[in-house]
Amino acid sequence: DTEVTQTPKHLVMGMTNKKSLKCEQHMGHRAMYWYKQKAKKPPELMFVYSYEKLSINESVPSRFSPECPNSSLLNLHLHALQPEDSALYLCASSQDHVLTYEQYFGPGTRLTVT
Amino acid sequence: RKEVEQDPGPFNVPEGATVAFNCTYSNSASQSFFWYRQDCRKEPKLLMSVYSSGNEDGRFTAQLNRASQYISLLIRDSKLSDSATYLCVVNVASYGKLTFGQGTILTVHP
Repeated sequence: DTEVTQTPKHLVMGMTNKKSLKCEQHMGHRAMYWYKQKAKKPPELMFVYSYEKLSINESVPSRFSPECPNSSLLNLHLHALQPEDSALYLCASSQDHVLTYEQYFGPGTRLTVT
Repeated sequence: RKEVEQDPGPFNVPEGATVAFNCTYSNSASQSFFWYRQDCRKEPKLLMSVYSSGNEDGRFTAQLNRASQYISLLIRDSKLSDSATYLCVVNVASYGKLTFGQGTILTVHP
């Protein structure tokens, strides 16, 4: 079973709402990731945190704001989203982001923007 | 040329069959290689890492050919539960970004 947990499982929000997605990992990993996945497509990297610092932002619009309160937690704050942002949002973690470690994914949050 | 290319399938095979998936990657600096499986509406799950020497885990065998920039996955004695999308994944370790292939859909039928 996955040791990366995500809440909520499903989220429906309007374009003017503010919401947050949460991710927690219990493996002592020092790198955490946010991915976005549309139907029938592979995951697309959004952000990478390494040792609690943002190290990569894949040119993600500012309506998505990541936060890493500590080494086990990762949040994604959402504001003024568009319907095309509806997707499965996946959190992942790995032992380190620079070296060649496997990434482990959480079950995802299925987001619908209305 | 895509960074990671897979035959999208779908592959439809009977139980007990052997099936092989192929994947090519374009960046010769790629340092680590994985196969993930993804069930419908679920997260990708690591199936196995792929090493230059090849590796086997039960019914699954993965091979890497760095010279040809080619990765393969062989599934023997297919089970109904093997039905999923199989993702070829490559890590160019300069900053740890995983690059995913488009996935190969496998359906195993009775």
